[in-house]
Amino acid sequence: NAGVTQTPKFQVLKTGQSMTLQCAQDMNHNSMYWYRQDPGMGLRLIYYSASEGTTDKGEVPNGYNVSRLNKREFSLRLESAAPSQTSVYFCASRGATNRGLFQETQYFGPGTRLLVL
Amino acid sequence: SQQGEEDPQALSIQEGENATMNCSYKTSINNLQWYRQNSGRGLVHLILIRSNEREKHSGRLRVTLDTSKKSSSLLITASRAADTASYFCATIRTGGFKTIFGAGTRLFVKA
Repeated sequence: NAGVTQTPKFQVLKTGQSMTLQCAQDMNHNSMYWYRQDPGMGLRLIYYSASEGTTDKGEVPNGYNVSRLNKREFSLRLESAAPSQTSVYFCASRGATNRGLFQETQYFGPGTRLLVL
Repeated sequence: SQQGEEDPQALSIQEGENATMNCSYKTSINNLQWYRQNSGRGLVHLILIRSNEREKHSGRLRVTLDTSKKSSSLLITASRAADTASYFCATIRTGGFKTIFGAGTRLFVKA
């Protein structure tokens, strides 16, 4: 199992350009998450998808959109990149128990480093 | 505002010494987790302690939880250079769904 994979690993954008960050998991997890990590700020939740077909805003959703393409894939789109979006982006997933309750442990991808000039 | 906050922000110790990191949080929780992040990598889950537990061990890791003080500590015994990483506490509010991460403690273990 590859776990959680993210592409690309690194990207440089100019202000105003758009791009999509891709995330996929092969653990059959129900919920998926996008976080950004900035120095000294920990992880901040951008958007999440509790299950296939649903998406919800997190703590810092402005400037981003997401798509839960299927159970495996959850993409994050920057429509018009801004320097404030320079960050490291992490995708994570979480499974469910046999009774449908969510498992607490999250599994993270390796991250995408984004630089917006 | 963030649910969990770690203390200290950074810690530098010699190999073989013990490292202690603390986490405080603000609301009632179902459980508290500790994650580790090596430089340039994603977070990896280390250990989970439930709200009805006071102490938990896993190898060289010892986690305590004091729900009355809304705090937790992570102790790494006999540290190694390979323990150099950032450590994050994470909480899920009672009845909640989202995991909230603190800002982390950067641990540097000198060989």
